[in-house]
Amino acid sequence: DSGVTQTPKHLITATGQRVTLRCSPRSGDLSVYWYQQSLDQGLQFLIQYYNGEERAKGNILERFSAQQFPDLHSELNLSSLELGDSALYFCASSFQGPPRSGELFFGEGSRLTVL
Amino acid sequence: AQSVTQLDSHVSVSEGTPVLLRCNYSSSYSPSLFWYVQHPNKGLQLLLKYTSAATLVKGINGFEAEFKKSETSFHLTKPSAHMSDAAEYFCVVSYNQAGTALIFGKGTTLSVSS
Repeated sequence: DSGVTQTPKHLITATGQRVTLRCSPRSGDLSVYWYQQSLDQGLQFLIQYYNGEERAKGNILERFSAQQFPDLHSELNLSSLELGDSALYFCASSFQGPPRSGELFFGEGSRLTVL
Repeated sequence: AQSVTQLDSHVSVSEGTPVLLRCNYSSSYSPSLFWYVQHPNKGLQLLLKYTSAATLVKGINGFEAEFKKSETSFHLTKPSAHMSDAAEYFCVVSYNQAGTALIFGKGTTLSVSS
């Protein structure tokens, strides 16, 4: 058990809808990362937050947004969903934003299916 | 720009034989490099990491990797495969100089037969 909790584990919804994925980092971790894993794109970095502030942004679509709250949990909001958004969404956490620790602790993912 | 290439999408070995998973990287500065493993229906777990200390890095479960700057490689090896090693393996390079975000390779599926 990594200590990172993601909910829901599975989610099925329809095109055009909006969903929110939630992540609780390990106790004491300040950084939260979101990744999308799909068969065709592999594991893609979406966005990182450190202590409530956006720290790095990857291949995140404009239809997607995220935030990190004062209690350090994070939410990833996906709107106007398309079939291609079906994927496994991972949250990961680490203690620090400062450089090069690199070790991320991953949750077990939220599997999103868009029909 | 930073990138990482895993040279094999699938590697099959017999139990007890050596494992070699190949990874080449591209980075405009001295990189941080990692190997992560993902077992079916599980999140990813760090196997080992290189952060400019010793070039031969030892990880969990008997895995190790050697950083070769001249070859821009960071191959993962294990002397003797075990059935429980069957999983997806990802080579990872730091996304920015701060090392705060990571780029994952496309993964190598390791199959182990008895």
